[in-house]
Parts: sequence; C-alpha cells; structure tokens
Amino acid sequence: GAVVSQHPSRVICKSGTSVKIECRSLDFQATTMFWYRQFPKQSLMLMATSNEGSKATYEQGVEKDKFLINHASLTLSTLTVTSAHPEDSSFYICSAAVGQGGLYEQYFGPGTRLTVT
Amino acid sequence: AQSVTQLGSHVSVSEGALVLLRCNYSSSVPPYLFWYVQYPNQGLQLLLKYTSAATLVKGINGFEAEFKKSETSFHLTKPSAHMSDAAEYFCAAGGNQGGKLIFGQGTELSVKP
Repeated sequence: GAVVSQHPSRVICKSGTSVKIECRSLDFQATTMFWYRQFPKQSLMLMATSNEGSKATYEQGVEKDKFLINHASLTLSTLTVTSAHPEDSSFYICSAAVGQGGLYEQYFGPGTRLTVT
Repeated sequence: AQSVTQLGSHVSVSEGALVLLRCNYSSSVPPYLFWYVQYPNQGLQLLLKYTSAATLVKGINGFEAEFKKSETSFHLTKPSAHMSDAAEYFCAAGGNQGGKLIFGQGTELSVKP
C-alpha cells in the first residue's frame, strides 16, 4: 500500500515552454502533498506544501508564479513549471502525507527528471 | 528552529562490515525522526521511523536506529553491509504540524567488495 506515482518520469523541453508534472496517490487519500527539488548530490529542498482545495504554501525563495501547483483532489497534485529555463533543470519529487494521531507520514513518488534545453 | 545534521557526506565500508550513519537533530522538543534511502534516479523509501514508542527502532533491510535524547542523536546502523545497501541515506525530522519534514544533507554509502 501507500504508493505514489509521478508522471512523466523524465521530460525534455525547450526553453520558454511549460511542463506539467503529475503526482498521484494510488491507493490512499492524502491530507497534504509536498513538492521537492533535488540537485545532484544534494538533499531535498522543499518547494511548496499543497492541500486539496486550497492555495499552495510556497517556501521562501520559490517563485509561485513560475512553479504553479494545483491540488485538484485528495489523490492528485500537479506542478507546472512555466516558461522553463535551463536553470530549472532538476529532479522533482513529490510526496503525499497521511496523518494519524498527530503523526504525518510522507510517501514519496519516484521523481521526475526535467531537462530544459 | 529545527535542524538535522548528518555527519559525513560519504561513508565507505567493506561488504560484511558494520554500517554506521550519523544523524543529530536540534529541537527543543524531540520530534518524530525518520531515515530514508534513495537509489539513483528514484524517490525516497522509508527505512524506519521514531515516534516515541521505543528508543530502538528496527526497520527494513536489517537496518535499525537508536534514539538518544541526551545526545540528540538518531544514528542508523546495520551489522553487516551488503552491496545492495550502496545508496544515499537521508535523516529527517518532523512529521507533525502538517507533516513538514526537515532533511539532513544526506550521506552516500559505498560498499566495497
């Protein structure tokens, strides 16, 4: 159980175009979904926290107009990288959290490798 | 503010040797603590978690970790390393307050034959 999928697994796009990444919890409903960015050989950097039906909360320094997050349902969140540039190339990972008794446990997707040319 | 520090960005052990990956947290209130493993180009997989039920936590793949409040530590160990253990390991704290996690910098484990 607790499987999270991401689509696509890898994408190559041209500079100036937009790319949408989907994150789905396949066998459970997630209270909250998180989006992370990871550079090579580095840790995960939290970009934003997303709750179904409400606006995402972005971390300091993350451009909300560039990284659009939509949380349409308890099983689906999308991240759209708008007007992508080469510096947006990275590994993007989502997670879905389930809360019980005050503890929220995150289940991670397999990640999406974005390359902007 | 909470922080998580992993000592050693890279650890190398021989196959069959003890694995010890260090993690210290900084928090006025002991948080929930997690260890995750990440294989190349993949997401994170939960190895084990501390939720205050027991200080010695056993996880998957033979890993375990001990919570020591006096040392604010949550080090990860495995008695005998296997080649398949080679991966990146992340310690994280949090899990309450909506589930937000604070990650350590990560430790890359290499296993030599």
